[in-house]
Amino acid sequence: AQSVTQLGSHVSVSEGALVLLRCNYSSSVPPYLFWYVQYPNQGLQLLLKYTSAATLVKGINGFEAEFKKSETSFHLTKPSAHMSDAAEYFCAVSSTGNQFYFGTGTSLTVIP
Amino acid sequence: DTGVSQDPRHKITKRGQNVTFRCDPISEHNRLYWYRQTLGQGPEFLTYFQNEAQLEKSRLLSDRFSAERPKGSFSTLEIQRTEQGDSAMYLCASSFDRGKQETQYFGPGTRLLVL
Repeated sequence: AQSVTQLGSHVSVSEGALVLLRCNYSSSVPPYLFWYVQYPNQGLQLLLKYTSAATLVKGINGFEAEFKKSETSFHLTKPSAHMSDAAEYFCAVSSTGNQFYFGTGTSLTVIP
Repeated sequence: DTGVSQDPRHKITKRGQNVTFRCDPISEHNRLYWYRQTLGQGPEFLTYFQNEAQLEKSRLLSDRFSAERPKGSFSTLEIQRTEQGDSAMYLCASSFDRGKQETQYFGPGTRLLVL
């Protein structure tokens, strides 16, 4: 069975500061991991995905995530937050290619 | 724009009524998924299709819910005898299965409010 835990339902950072959104997964088989972003009243947009190639994955809008098997983590980072980064972020795990299991999300607020 | 589209974007209905939502996936995608998202939660898997075949259904999908993808293109999700607990955002996603993990592309969702 697969599951995802996102630590911190709300994260606030100052504009220009480091963004760190945490995701820990549980999977009985090698997982595929994803980060999606959701703006208000919109669908989910893929930021990046890990599919067993490089452990450091670069995505859109300056985001990246590192797969750490020993820690079962896939944390999302961005060196410098921008006001437009304010949104809901979801981590998801999949192993079969069929079902995605999403975390409960982290709401990111960027303070000017 | 050739992304996933959903119709309607918003639906308000009275308890006990039937509602139907439509999803048009990205044209070359053979897989189509339905998710439900309630406030403050991540999307929860409901069902998915490979072409026109419905291959998996979640336990969340009660007998009042039915989904079809008759020609392997667009899909409909019908909820019969709606209940207030059905109020949620219903998301559709599509992907192209090449035998390994592929990205799911999401539509904007249909927000349902049952009064």
